[in-house]
Amino acid sequence: AQSVTQLGSHVSVSEGALVLLRCNYSSSVPPYLFWYVQYPNQGLQLLLKYTTGATLVKGINGFEAEFKKSETSFHLTKPSAHMSDAAEYFCAVSGPIYNQGGKLIFGQGTELSVKP
Amino acid sequence: EAQVTQNPRYLITVTGKKLTVTCSQNMNHEYMSWYRQDPGLGLRQIYYSMNVEVTDKGDVPEGYKVSRKEKRNFPLILESPSPNQTSLYFCASSFYAASYNEQFFGPGTRLTVL
Repeated sequence: AQSVTQLGSHVSVSEGALVLLRCNYSSSVPPYLFWYVQYPNQGLQLLLKYTTGATLVKGINGFEAEFKKSETSFHLTKPSAHMSDAAEYFCAVSGPIYNQGGKLIFGQGTELSVKP
Repeated sequence: EAQVTQNPRYLITVTGKKLTVTCSQNMNHEYMSWYRQDPGLGLRQIYYSMNVEVTDKGDVPEGYKVSRKEKRNFPLILESPSPNQTSLYFCASSFYAASYNEQFFGPGTRLTVL
């Protein structure tokens, strides 16, 4: 069975500070990992994904994440927070195609607040 | 513009009154799915469709129906809504049902059942 745990339902940072959103997963198969962002009153938008290859993945808006198999982690970082980064962030793992078509299994979400 | 659209965006209804939430994508995607989002639970899959006329249950299918008569449309039907179906609903699509494909999400439908 696969699952995702996001540590911290709310994270608050100051503008210009480092953003670190934590995600741990469990998977019995090689995982495909995703970070999605949800701005207020909008649908989810893909930030970045890890499938195979390089473990440091760069996404949109200056975000990146590192896949660490030994730690079963896929933490999201951004060196300098901007006010426009305030949103809810979801980590997700997708299962194999034979399991409900490769459905996404989401963490519970982390709401990021950015203080001026 | 490539997108997934949902209607209505907001809906308040009463227990037992049948309703349909429409979903349409213009990207020629094979795979479509419905999720519901509840606080503290993230998103959970309700139903999914690998292709036209092929649908199957997700993790929380009770009280919902779907159909996939055309590739672009995937409506979600609540035959007899109940208050525990008050939630935020998202439709999503991707090229194929491969695990590594990005899913594109609609803007969401906020449903309240009184």
